[in-house]
Order: sequence, then C-alpha cells, then structure tokens
Amino acid sequence: DTAVSQTPKYLVTQMGNDKSIKCEQNLGHDTMYWYKQDSKKFLKIMFSYNNKELIINETVPNRFSPKSPDKAHLNLHINSLELGDSAVYFCASRGLGGRQETQYFGPGTRLLVL
Amino acid sequence: AQSVTQLGSHVSVSEGALVLLRCNYSSSVPPYLFWYVQYPNQGLQLLLKYTSAATLVKGINGFEAEFKKSETSFHLTKPSAHMSDAAEYFCAVSSGSARQLTFGSGTQLTVLP
Repeated sequence: DTAVSQTPKYLVTQMGNDKSIKCEQNLGHDTMYWYKQDSKKFLKIMFSYNNKELIINETVPNRFSPKSPDKAHLNLHINSLELGDSAVYFCASRGLGGRQETQYFGPGTRLLVL
Repeated sequence: AQSVTQLGSHVSVSEGALVLLRCNYSSSVPPYLFWYVQYPNQGLQLLLKYTSAATLVKGINGFEAEFKKSETSFHLTKPSAHMSDAAEYFCAVSSGSARQLTFGSGTQLTVLP
C-alpha cells in the first residue's frame, strides 16, 4: 500500500488550461504539504494544511489553489497554466507530536506546460 | 530564517570509496535535520534524521550523519559507495509553524565503476 499517492504521475497540457493534481495519504497524518521542484531540482514549499485548514501559503500566485476535502486529501488546482509552471510537484504528509518530524513524500507529478 | 547549504552540486566517487556529502545549516533554534535521497523520476525517500537525540545518526543503506553544532554541519557519509547509491541527495531543515522543510540545492552523486 502506497503511503502518499499522487495522480496523475505525468501531466502535459497547453498554456492557459486549468488542471488539478490529487494527493491522498493513508498514514492518518494531520498535516499535508505541496512542494515544487523546478528544472534545477530545487525544492520549495508551496502550501501546508493542518487538518483541512491552510497554515502556509508561501508567496504562490493566486492561480494555485489548494483544497483539502478531508485530512487525508490535499488537492492542487492550477488555473491559466503558464510555461513557468512546468515542474515536478510533490505532496507530503507528517504526523503530529514532538517526535513525529518525518515528512513522507508522494512520487511526484511531472507537469509540462507547452 | 532557516537555510541549508550543500557544498558541491556534483560529487563523483569510485565504487567502494568513501562517500562524503556536505551540509551546513543556519537556524535560530535547535534544528531538526534530514537527508533525503531522490532516484531518477522518483519521489523523495528519507535516509536519516536528527531530532536532538544522538548526534551520530544512522540511516538506511549504510548511510550515517553527524550533527556538529559548533560547525553548524550535518554531513552525510557512507564508508563504501555502491553503484546503486547514484542519485540526488538533499539536506533539509524543519522549521516554522507547519514544520515545513527548507531544502538545500541538492548534490548529485555519481559512482564510478
């Protein structure tokens, strides 16, 4: 069983389109994240949700809108896609508690905007 | 604000040789530090983590790292490289209200036969 899963794994689309990426975790964690990995492999936090509530939005354009229907899911919707949105998007989750510091990552969604 | 610096974007070693990947951090509070590995076209896998217990941390696949507060370092080592160790390695620090990860720029490890 995959702990953190993402769909789709690959996404190729045209500029201006709207697309969504889904993430699900079966670890019972309360906190979930979206990270972006650019073409130089640099990883940066985008959003964090704790039990369905947004707690971090790191200067991400308004075209990106995360949605958490329940604490096991964190989806990412992107409007009006731009060439610069091409990247790998990783979902991650983390349990609560002082020693529960490990974030578990999904396999990534490779987005290519043409 | 926390930050992580990985010295050397590319490191090459011969199979069987010592692997040393360098990581220095900047943190205003006692840090939680991590090393993740990324194989081509895959996600991030945790190698090991430091959470203020033992300063020498052992991880998977024979890797270990030592937390040195005086040097603000958390270098990753493995005594003997294997071909399967070839991958991208990321050092990260956990911080903020959401304990989000701040990553270094990564080190690509190549293992030569």
